[in-house]
Amino acid sequence: GAVVSQHPSWVICKSGTSVKIECRSLDFQATTMFWYRQFPKQSLMLMATSNEGSKATYEQGVEKDKFLINHASLTLSTLTVTSAHPEDSSFYICSASLGSYNSPLHFGNGTRLTVT
Amino acid sequence: AQKVTQAQTEISVVEKEDVTLDCVYETRDTTYYLFWYKQPPSGELVFLIRRNSFDEQNEISGRYSWNFQKSTSSFNFTITASQVVDSAVYFCALSNGGNSGGYQKVTFGIGTKLQVIP
Repeated sequence: GAVVSQHPSWVICKSGTSVKIECRSLDFQATTMFWYRQFPKQSLMLMATSNEGSKATYEQGVEKDKFLINHASLTLSTLTVTSAHPEDSSFYICSASLGSYNSPLHFGNGTRLTVT
Repeated sequence: AQKVTQAQTEISVVEKEDVTLDCVYETRDTTYYLFWYKQPPSGELVFLIRRNSFDEQNEISGRYSWNFQKSTSSFNFTITASQVVDSAVYFCALSNGGNSGGYQKVTFGIGTKLQVIP
């Protein structure tokens, strides 16, 4: 149980274009979804927290107009990287939680974004 | 504010050796939750264990064991008789307990890369 599907697994796009990443909880309802960014040899940096039906809460330093997050249902959240630049190249990981403080996070398999 | 420190960034052990991964945390919450995750080379993080702040019992699951000590704010993870398949990055994480209200927030340590050499 607790399967999270993230698509695509990897994507290459040209600078200036937008990329959408989907995160779905397949067998449970995810009240809360988290979006992380992971740089090589570094930890997971929380970008934003999204709760179904409400606006995402962005961490300090994360541009909300650049990283658009939508959590339209209890099983789907999307992250859109708008006007991507090479510095946006990274490994993006979504995770889903039942929303309780003691709920473990269940992670998608990540999306490797390369902006050329 | 929450903080998780994993002082060991990389560890190499020979197969069958025991290894302990350290985790020290900071939080102002009186109720909180601690987790360990494994990230194999494939990239997907896998949940290993959760521990509540009010439960200091240590736990053993096969070759894995966890030592939670509130007095030192530590939640260490030991792998006995390590195997090559244990090679991965291991993350310690801390979730708030709601004392201050707000949504669940999970803070991760920087991760410890474990390499088990055959």
